[in-house]
This record gives sequence, structure tokens and C-alpha cells, in this order.
Amino acid sequence: EAGVVQSPRYKIIEKKQPVAFWCNPISGHNTLYWYLQNLGQGPELLIRYENEEAVDDSQLPKDRFSAERLKGVDSTLKIQPAELGDSAVYLCASSRTSWETQYFGPGTRLLVL
Amino acid sequence: AQKVTQAQTEISVVEKEDVTLDCVYETRDTTYYLFWYKQPPSGELVFLIRRNSFDEQNEISGRYSWNFQKSTSSFNFTITASQVVDSAVYFCALSGGSNYKLTFGKGTLLTVNP
Repeated sequence: EAGVVQSPRYKIIEKKQPVAFWCNPISGHNTLYWYLQNLGQGPELLIRYENEEAVDDSQLPKDRFSAERLKGVDSTLKIQPAELGDSAVYLCASSRTSWETQYFGPGTRLLVL
Repeated sequence: AQKVTQAQTEISVVEKEDVTLDCVYETRDTTYYLFWYKQPPSGELVFLIRRNSFDEQNEISGRYSWNFQKSTSSFNFTITASQVVDSAVYFCALSGGSNYKLTFGKGTLLTVNP
């Protein structure tokens, strides 16, 4: 069974530029999560999807961050415009249901210059 | 509020030594789940174990073992006969009650030297 796929793996941009991250969850997993991991810290949840519905986006900075999960499969997380403090690893995870184990992708490492 | 504390920031051992990673948690939920994940240098979080709050049996999987003690709110992880490939950051995490969200500790960096 293929794991969670994320792209790109690395991204370097200048501040104020837009950036997008893509995630393909494990087949059959209805719940999808985006996490932010700062250096030396554990991941923190940004948003959770149940199928195509964002059921918890309370931690998502909506002034510059947006996400979508069209058709309830792949998801895209966007930052516009990026700030220096957005430099971090963005992790995508999926689970069969909200209460089952979350499996993580390799992450996208973002550097904002 | 939920909280996970991993007091050990870094641990360094020599290959074949046993090592224990500590995890202490706080929650008011009576039903909750505890997890351990491994994050090697490649960056992917690898799931190791999930335990529910009603199952205090210790678990062993090969060289890995977990000790869950509700009385001390701890869920410690032991690697027996460590190997260089065990070098990674290990995260303890908690979810519970009506909150599906994983709350992670800050992680413990384990370095196993040859």
C-alpha cells in the first residue's frame, strides 16, 4: 500500500511570494490533516478534512493560508504571501477515520528568504 | 487542555546499549490514545505504536517495548540493543475525548553511535 505522498519535498522562495504544497493521502483514507512543524518542535495541526469538508481550521492563519480538498482525495495548502516566519516543514497525514491512526507523508521543507 | 512532556531533549548511546525514552502526559479525558512516532533524518513521521487508555498491558515488538502506567501518566519507550539505524527524533503524542487532534511532545533526539 502506497503511503502519503507530498510534493515538492523542498521549496525555497522569497518573502511575499506565493507557494503551494500538494498531498495525496493513502487510498481509502477519508480524513486528511495538514500539520506545521517548526524546528525542534512537534507537529501542530493546521487543518483537518473529512472527505472534502474542512471540519477544523481553527489553527489555520486565514489571512495568508488557504487549503482545499477537491473531490475528497488530494489536497493543496497555499500560502500567499509567504513571510520569513513561515519557514518550516509542512506535513500531511491521513487516516481512515478521525479516530484511527494518522499516517504521515515525508513533508515539504519550506525556506522563505 | 492536553499536554505531552518529553523531558529528554537529546540522548546519545553506543550501539547495543539499551535506552529508554520518557513521556509524561496530561489530560482530563477518561478515554484517550497515546502514540509514539519516529522521525528519521528523511523527515517522515513513522508510526510505531498506539495505545488506548483502558489497556495498560506493556507491549513488546522485537527490540521495542512500551511501558504504560496510568498512575504516573507515563508512556515510556525502550529500545533494547540499540542500533545505528535507530538514530532519529522520537515523538510521543496524545489524542483524547472529543478531540481527535494529536498533541505532540517536543521530541527526543536519539543518536546511536557505532
